Order: sequence, then C-alpha cells, then structure tokens
Amino acid sequence: DTGVSQNPRHKITKRGQNVTFRCDPISEHNRLYWYRQTLGQGPEFLTYFQNEAQLEKSRLLSDRFSAERPKGSFSTLEIQRTEQGDSAMYLCASSSTSGAGNNEQFFGPGTRLTVL
Amino acid sequence: ILNVEQSPQSLHVQEGDSTNFTCSFPSSNFYALHWYRWETAKSPEALFVMTLNGDEKKKGRISATLNTKEGYSYLYIKGSQPEDSATYLCAFRQAGTALIFGKGTTLSVSS
Repeated sequence: DTGVSQNPRHKITKRGQNVTFRCDPISEHNRLYWYRQTLGQGPEFLTYFQNEAQLEKSRLLSDRFSAERPKGSFSTLEIQRTEQGDSAMYLCASSSTSGAGNNEQFFGPGTRLTVL
Repeated sequence: ILNVEQSPQSLHVQEGDSTNFTCSFPSSNFYALHWYRWETAKSPEALFVMTLNGDEKKKGRISATLNTKEGYSYLYIKGSQPEDSATYLCAFRQAGTALIFGKGTTLSVSS
C-alpha cells in the first residue's frame, strides 16, 4: 500500500499524559499536513511542512502541541499534558507541489485519540 | 473568518435514488474546491479538485459542478448504491492557504 499511513490508529490515554502520533506520507510528496476533527465538525487545519520546514501553524496549535518532520519524510505530532478537549481524530495528508495535481491532498486513515 | 457550509447535514435515500448536496464557500480569492468521500474507518478519498468557474467533473455515477462567482458547488450521485454510504466533505482553498473544510453531508443508502 503506497498511500498515507498513520500510527497508531487508536490511542486512549489519561489526562496529563503525553502522546505522540506518526504519519508516513506518500514517498514522493514534499508537503505534509496535520488536521484535527472533533465530533460534528469538519477537519481543521493544524500545521503543514514543506520538506522538513514547518511553514504554517494554526492558532489551534497550542503550546502543548509540537510537530516535526526531521528528514522531510515521516512526521510526528506530540501532545503534551493531554486534556479531555484534545480527544479527536488526528488526520495527516500529503501532497506534491510538482506536476499537475493542483496540490491535491491525500489523507491517511487518522489516529483517534481519547483522553480519559 | 472563512466559513464553508454544507447541506444537508445528513440524508437517507433508497437504493436507486439520485441525490445531491450543496457546498457554499466564500466567493473572494478563490483558488480551488475539493470534494472528498469519507467512509467509516477509512481514509478520506479525494473525489474532485475543481478550479475553474463552470467546471463540471464526473467520476462514474458521481458528478460535481462549480460556481465560483456565487460561491457554491453541487455534488450529484445518480442511482445511489449502499456502497455510496459515507460522509461527503467539501473543502475550499484560497491561494497559499490550507484547506478549509465544511462539516460534511452524511449519506445513508438503504437497499
């Protein structure tokens, strides 16, 4: 399967714990995005990388959230001191700025986080 | 604040019915409009990327139209099948910005 993969698919944690999610994009894609979807809402943009550079961060991304893409391939999203309000589906997407794909984003299956 | 509205929020149709959904978005600084289909426990699947006013795109029984001047797009499904059951998301993009998603329309097709 050469699509976007995310691990883990589900994570249950206790309030105050730290969690880390991983996203492996489509291999030739230089852009990688993180989104969060809460119940009843559409996905909301958190941040994106072009290669290893983090180019934009949403105001939704509080100080407890940090994302990295150290070698311009996979990315990690860490949430420190989790709160119940962090419970959501975290989606990763990747795209390529080359070619005629209109920068179409391809999504992974998401990581569902539940904070107890 | 840029807002994308989708309607209806959900609908239930019988197998063989045709249906359509609406996506409304800001008409200023338009760059692209994306449609995705998201089935439970799967990745959102890209259906269409539309960039030009008057665009019409088709993929099997699913088609979409775009009106950038008035800020809306329609998604049509002809002869709905149970496997069409999913949430359909639209997302709007201005140049150089991230996707802004609507809340989605959840379609349920009964056999």
